[in-house]
Amino acid sequence: QVQLRESGSGLVKPSETLSLTCAVSGDSITSYRWWSWVRQPPGKGLEWIGEIFHDGATNYYPSLMSRVTISMDKSNNQFSLRLTSVTAADTAVYYCASGNDYSWAYWGQGILVTVSS
Amino acid sequence: EIVLTQSPGTLSLSPGDRATLSCRTSQRISSNYLAWYQQQPGQAPRLLIFGTFNRATGIPDRFGGSGSGTDFTLTISRLEPEDSAMYYCQQYGTSPPRYTFGPGTKLEIK
Repeated sequence: QVQLRESGSGLVKPSETLSLTCAVSGDSITSYRWWSWVRQPPGKGLEWIGEIFHDGATNYYPSLMSRVTISMDKSNNQFSLRLTSVTAADTAVYYCASGNDYSWAYWGQGILVTVSS
Repeated sequence: EIVLTQSPGTLSLSPGDRATLSCRTSQRISSNYLAWYQQQPGQAPRLLIFGTFNRATGIPDRFGGSGSGTDFTLTISRLEPEDSAMYYCQQYGTSPPRYTFGPGTKLEIK
């Protein structure tokens, strides 16, 4: 059973960089699956941010592409999200997720990130 | 970008009823690429259905998926109070963005 756990700062100032990490257990991050980030603004729906494959290949949501970087740390079996130049619109619960078959069977519990001075 | 539309926005039913939730895509997609999630308040989404028809591990057979082309349906039979939740459809696309979600249907069981 794959387990995911997000960690990182829950409060980020406007214009600064949001950084989150997803620790993976129960599977190797080098296994044949995509590792994703999804966010949900308070009271709103789900938005896919991007993903990284076991070989390091990435895909990002087009409107976020200029500000997003997803990377992996194989030695610690984790992957990370970095979002630069944040604004209040980036306030959301951020989930890491993974799965096969073009969907996500495994989710972290989510971490609320608030952008505020 | 493929846009997903879900209807109804809110559905209010009674225990034992049958719920029918609709998801429409702005372009035809492969049946392999459509999934459904349930989200309880304060919790992460839970995968219910993948590939239009396939129940995820541990999902009871009261949950069923169907559809093709641009029209997809999640059916929940014999509703239980714990089925009260938001339900999202999600599609995978080969062109950016790779994944998009519908706006969700709120299911209320009273």
